[in-house]
Amino acid sequence: DVKVTQSSRYLVKRTGEKVFLECVQDMDHENMFWYRQDPGLGLRLIYFSYDVKMKEKGDIPEGYSVSREKKERFSLILESASTNQTSMYLCASSLVFSGTVYEQYFGPGTRLTVT
Amino acid sequence: KQEVTQIPAALSVPEGENLVLNCSFTDSAIYNLQWFRQDPGKGLTSLLLIQSSQREQTSGRLNASLDKSSGRSTLYIAASQPGDSATYLCAVEGTYKYIFGTGTRLKVLA
Repeated sequence: DVKVTQSSRYLVKRTGEKVFLECVQDMDHENMFWYRQDPGLGLRLIYFSYDVKMKEKGDIPEGYSVSREKKERFSLILESASTNQTSMYLCASSLVFSGTVYEQYFGPGTRLTVT
Repeated sequence: KQEVTQIPAALSVPEGENLVLNCSFTDSAIYNLQWFRQDPGKGLTSLLLIQSSQREQTSGRLNASLDKSSGRSTLYIAASQPGDSATYLCAVEGTYKYIFGTGTRLKVLA
């Protein structure tokens, strides 16, 4: 079974702090994704990566950066946390199959509160 | 720009009922469509994936259909149980990324 793990289930940080969210997958998947989920807005893609050291902006990249130094690990960085980044953050991974993104597998999520 | 809509936003049914959840999308040029389940405060669990060349997929009591030309997918749940209570999300895949609907929150009453 594919396993996607996230470093924390709950985090509380102060405004202006630098925040690292880590995601690890154990199935050698090429693609990894970071989403945030907010009530009424659904899941929105922040960044994704289709290979080591490669990254692409999603729909809402402002205020975030990412790092992928190893295939299994994808980190989301909030350079200077703000209260509007309080959200549920979800990591996902998937295989590439026949040139398209295949089935996505999600981690358990990190609920981040910025005060 | 692709938009994905799920109606209704919430649904309550008595145990044992068969039910249908709807997902519609505006751009029929999709690769895949995936249905997920999300329990409160948890991540997403994949239920079914339908490739664009397929019309339906089945897993146990779940059946998902896809009609690309009309921009619609349905998730059919047979003989619903209280354990099916969760939020159900559909997501359509464009190039390299999925676009999600906002989900249908299902409550199955015992």
